[in-house]
Amino acid sequence: KAGVTQTPRYLIKTRGQQVTLSCSPISGHRSVSWYQQTPGQGLQFLFEYFSETQRNKGNFPGRFSGRQFSNSRSEMNVSTLELGDSALYLCASMLTGAGQETQYFGPGTRLLVL
Amino acid sequence: GESVGLHLPTLSVQEGDNSIINCAYSNSASDYFIWYKQESGKGPQFIIDIRSNMDKRQGQRVTVLLNKTVKHLSLQIAATQPGDSAVYFCAEKMGISWGKLQFGAGTQVVVTP
Repeated sequence: KAGVTQTPRYLIKTRGQQVTLSCSPISGHRSVSWYQQTPGQGLQFLFEYFSETQRNKGNFPGRFSGRQFSNSRSEMNVSTLELGDSALYLCASMLTGAGQETQYFGPGTRLLVL
Repeated sequence: GESVGLHLPTLSVQEGDNSIINCAYSNSASDYFIWYKQESGKGPQFIIDIRSNMDKRQGQRVTVLLNKTVKHLSLQIAATQPGDSAVYFCAEKMGISWGKLQFGAGTQVVVTP
């Protein structure tokens, strides 16, 4: 079974631009969570989507948004990019159900904001 | 200028020795904990998890110990191999949703021959 895939793997943007990152979960997984990883703050939770609905949200500004499609694929969008948004953005999927709550991560999208 | 980042503790281990990685968690009500391994340029990889109704869980070459009294988690790796070199993170489930994890800062494990 294929793992979590994320596209693109690398991205360079300039301040003020917006960016959309994509995540395809493991087949059958309905929950998708997004995390931001930076050297300064470590791994921080952004949001979780389940059945096309945002189920949880972390402490990030409204410039960070996401959505999930009916096939469980998810996208996250960052508008008006700032230098501090440079990070590795990780997506994790989960097969919900009793005893099946492990999150499996993709390789991440490395975003550099210049 | 100089960038400021999290100072990752480093554990240097000789190949073949056992490794113990420690983690303190924040919420006494947390009921699920998980260890991940992250190699350079890759996403975190699941190692083992444990629920709060257990004190110990074993996997292949790994054991996780949970001490709820002092809110401490540890990961033991037996017979450490060069391929075990990575950053190891502990994470706890936040609240009632399984999809929201809070991660520790991580520990860099370096395996020397």
